[in-house]
Amino acid sequence: DAKTTQPNSMESNEEEPVHLPCNHSTISGTDYIHWYRQLPSQGPEYVIHGLTSNVNNRMASLAIAEDRKSSTLILHRATLRDAAVYYCILRDGNKIIFGKGTRLHILP
Amino acid sequence: EPEVTQTPSHQVTQMGQEVILRCVPISNHLYFYWYRQILGQKVEFLVSFYNNEISEKSEIFDDQFSVERPDGSNFTLKIRSTKLEDSAMYFCASNGAGTPNSPLHFGNGTRLTVT
Repeated sequence: DAKTTQPNSMESNEEEPVHLPCNHSTISGTDYIHWYRQLPSQGPEYVIHGLTSNVNNRMASLAIAEDRKSSTLILHRATLRDAAVYYCILRDGNKIIFGKGTRLHILP
Repeated sequence: EPEVTQTPSHQVTQMGQEVILRCVPISNHLYFYWYRQILGQKVEFLVSFYNNEISEKSEIFDDQFSVERPDGSNFTLKIRSTKLEDSAMYFCASNGAGTPNSPLHFGNGTRLTVT
């Protein structure tokens, strides 16, 4: 799996949007961009994934740059429950490989 | 929504003992995985399993580890002779439908403590 770069940590205020960036300059044409998160004391949880086009689901939106070298996970209205480690992963194949992710702190 | 379930939630064992961690993947899934997370560190891939055999494994998954799908529902990870450094959270995951990018569904893990 190709390498991604994420900030170690970010803070956001409750009820405000959060934009979590991810750089993946060495992405190949077949790599899908996946986002997972890990809430405290829980297993990782799938958030969203995409290939080229922007994607929306009930949890978040994924904005993918036109050259696919970066992407942004958007939480539209953060809640305290969104405090977690967020992982941006390039996937080409079945298994996924986790990096260190971004620890998101939500301020009440 | 279907879930991956893992038992026990916490297992304490003595060094040198064998331990079996159990998982029930989502019923129609075809691919199964074990990951581990040492306290304060990142989640690490151990092994993937498909069609009753290991499809991929990491360097961590040495001869002390084995996996099995003994029946149609369970997926187990065995550590033959536990070491102190095996203490970690162990997560089981599954995905299916044959699409390589289908999301992995993770259980909430088994905390293994080796004393």
